[in-house]
Amino acid sequence: DAGVTQSPTHLIKTRGQHVTLRCSPISGHKSVSWYQQVLGQGPQFIFQYYEKEERGRGNFPDRFSARQFPNYSSELNVNALLLGDSALYLCASSLTGGAGYGYTFGSGTRLTVV
Amino acid sequence: QKEVEQNSGPLSVPEGAIASLNCTYSDRGSQSFFWYRQYSGKSPELIMSIYSNGDKEDGRFTAQLNKASQYVSLLIRDSQPSDSATYLCAASSGGSYIPTFGRGTSLIVHP
Repeated sequence: DAGVTQSPTHLIKTRGQHVTLRCSPISGHKSVSWYQQVLGQGPQFIFQYYEKEERGRGNFPDRFSARQFPNYSSELNVNALLLGDSALYLCASSLTGGAGYGYTFGSGTRLTVV
Repeated sequence: QKEVEQNSGPLSVPEGAIASLNCTYSDRGSQSFFWYRQYSGKSPELIMSIYSNGDKEDGRFTAQLNKASQYVSLLIRDSQPSDSATYLCAASSGGSYIPTFGRGTSLIVHP
């Protein structure tokens, strides 16, 4: 059974460009959450989606957007990239996203902005 | 602002010792607590969850929760070099469903 799949694994972009990160949750999981992790810090919450609806949004600028598709996969889009957007972007899958459930993380996308 | 605080470490323990990792949280409404292990360059992996006051044991791992003190801990018995990693504490409330993570504590188990 496949785990959480993220693509691409690594990405190098130039300041001002746009990037799209993709995530496929575990089969049967209906919730996807996105986190940004800067080196030496804990994951910071960006978005959570459940049943294609946005359930939560973290303290990130409007340059960050996301959506969830009918098959529960998800995309995270970041516009007008800044050097500070360089980080590991983690997708987390859970059954419902409810408070009682832990997450299964994908292997992440390492984004470098130059 | 909901915060989860952890000492960044590193915490260095000899092989075979008990490693004790601690975490405090600010939101009294937090109901669910999690410990994740993250190896260098890898993504976090859920190792323990705890919801009620007291201890919960799973193999060499014991999670402890004290809601009155807003304190969560993770004990690792018979520590092995393979336990060397960063341990992330996370807390979530029934209202927001969104776990807040601490910055993690780096654990080094030396032979």
